[in-house]
Amino acid sequence: GQNIDQPTEMTATEGAIVQINCTYQTSGFNGLFWYQQHAGEAPTFLSYNVLDGLEEKGRFSSFLSRSKGYSYLLLKELQMKDSASYLCAVRDNYGQNFVFGPGTRLSVLP
Amino acid sequence: EADIYQTPRYLVIGTGKKITLECSQTMGHDKMYWYQQDPGMELHLIHYSYGVNSTEKGDLSSESTVSRIRTEHFPLTLESARPSHTSQYLCASSDDNTGQETQYFGPGTRLLVL
Repeated sequence: GQNIDQPTEMTATEGAIVQINCTYQTSGFNGLFWYQQHAGEAPTFLSYNVLDGLEEKGRFSSFLSRSKGYSYLLLKELQMKDSASYLCAVRDNYGQNFVFGPGTRLSVLP
Repeated sequence: EADIYQTPRYLVIGTGKKITLECSQTMGHDKMYWYQQDPGMELHLIHYSYGVNSTEKGDLSSESTVSRIRTEHFPLTLESARPSHTSQYLCASSDDNTGQETQYFGPGTRLLVL
C-alpha cells in the first residue's frame, strides 16, 4: 500500500530553524516533492529530490534517504509568512501518480 | 510560473443540480489531475488523465466524471450534486519532458452544496 507520514503540527519562532520530517512506504519510488500550501490556497512547489542527499534552495533545503524511506524539509531564518501547511508527496514506481502526505501545519510565532 | 486556471472559484448550489468545474492549462502538459481536499485535510486524487481521450479514476471514489477532448482542458462534472460533495476541488497538470516532473496546481474551486 501507499503510506506517507508527517507530523500534524509544528510551532517555531521567527528567525529560527525548523525541520519537518516525512517517512514514506510506497509501491516504488520515482521522486519526492515538497509543497507549501497556505490556508485556502493551492499547493505551490518547493523542492524535488530523486537521489540521496541534500538539495538547497535559498532558505529551504530538502534531504532524502531512499534506503530509509525518509525525507526532511529544513526551513531557515523563519518568517511569519512561512506559516502554512507543508505537504510531502512521492511519485510512484511508474512515475504516473503522486501520493500526498497529510501535511504538516507550521505556525511561526513572533 | 505555471498557467493553470479553474472556474468558478466559488460555487454555492442546491442539491440535485448538475455542475461542471472547469480547468484549463496553457503549458501544453499531457498529464492532468483532479484532487479533492477538505479544509485542513490531505489531498485525495479523484481523476487523472495522461493525454487526450485518456481518463482514469483515482484513489478516492468519486461520483464525478471527467473528459479530456483537448490537451488544455480537463472539466469535472457532477451529474447530481449532494451536500457530501461539499469540498475544495484542485486541478493540477504536469510535464515530464524536463526530467523533473512537477505538478502545478490551479487556484481551486470551493464547492458548497446546500
